[in-house]
Amino acid sequence: DAGVIQSPRHEVTEMGQEVTLRCKPISGHNSLFWYRQTMMRGLELLIYFNNNVPIDDSGMPEDRFSAKMPNASFSTLKIQPSEPRDSAVYFCASSLRWNTEAFFGQGTRLTVV
Amino acid sequence: GQQLNQSPQSMFIQEGEDVSMNCTSSSIFNTWLWYKQEPGEGPVLLIALYKAGELTSNGRLTAQFGITRKDSFLNISASIPSDVGIYFCAGYMEYGNKLVFGAGTILRVKS
Repeated sequence: DAGVIQSPRHEVTEMGQEVTLRCKPISGHNSLFWYRQTMMRGLELLIYFNNNVPIDDSGMPEDRFSAKMPNASFSTLKIQPSEPRDSAVYFCASSLRWNTEAFFGQGTRLTVV
Repeated sequence: GQQLNQSPQSMFIQEGEDVSMNCTSSSIFNTWLWYKQEPGEGPVLLIALYKAGELTSNGRLTAQFGITRKDSFLNISASIPSDVGIYFCAGYMEYGNKLVFGAGTILRVKS
């Protein structure tokens, strides 16, 4: 099993640009989570999906952030326009279903300059 | 803000010592998960707990799901240098289905 796959691993972009982060969950998993990790705020849950449907997006910091899951094997997190304070490591995780073990990807380190 | 209170924030211990860390909350959780994160990597699952009172081991690691469903602890016995990293507790909240994380415990081991 390849595990959760995220791309890119690193992204450096200029303030104001659009950024798209990608995630491929483990095959057969029905729940998908997006987290942001910073030194100050730790691991914050941004949004999660169940069966491709967004269940709770209350952690999305602003309207500049949006996430989609068009099918069971792909999800995106988009920031438009990006700002320097968005710099962080963004993780995607998936689980077989709610309330079960969640497995993480290796993350995308985003730097907005 | 953090819905899970994890302590201690950091530990610097001698190789061979036992380690204990815990997480508490005012909310009830259905599942507790413990993770370890190393630099540049994503959190890696160590132990999953599904029932109140459950005690589970994974090698030198032992974790328990508190009876009240509001807390959990992780013990590491006979620490070794490769135990260094950040340990996180996480839990699925009873209401809202969210998987939330504690702030982490930084473990350093001196050999």
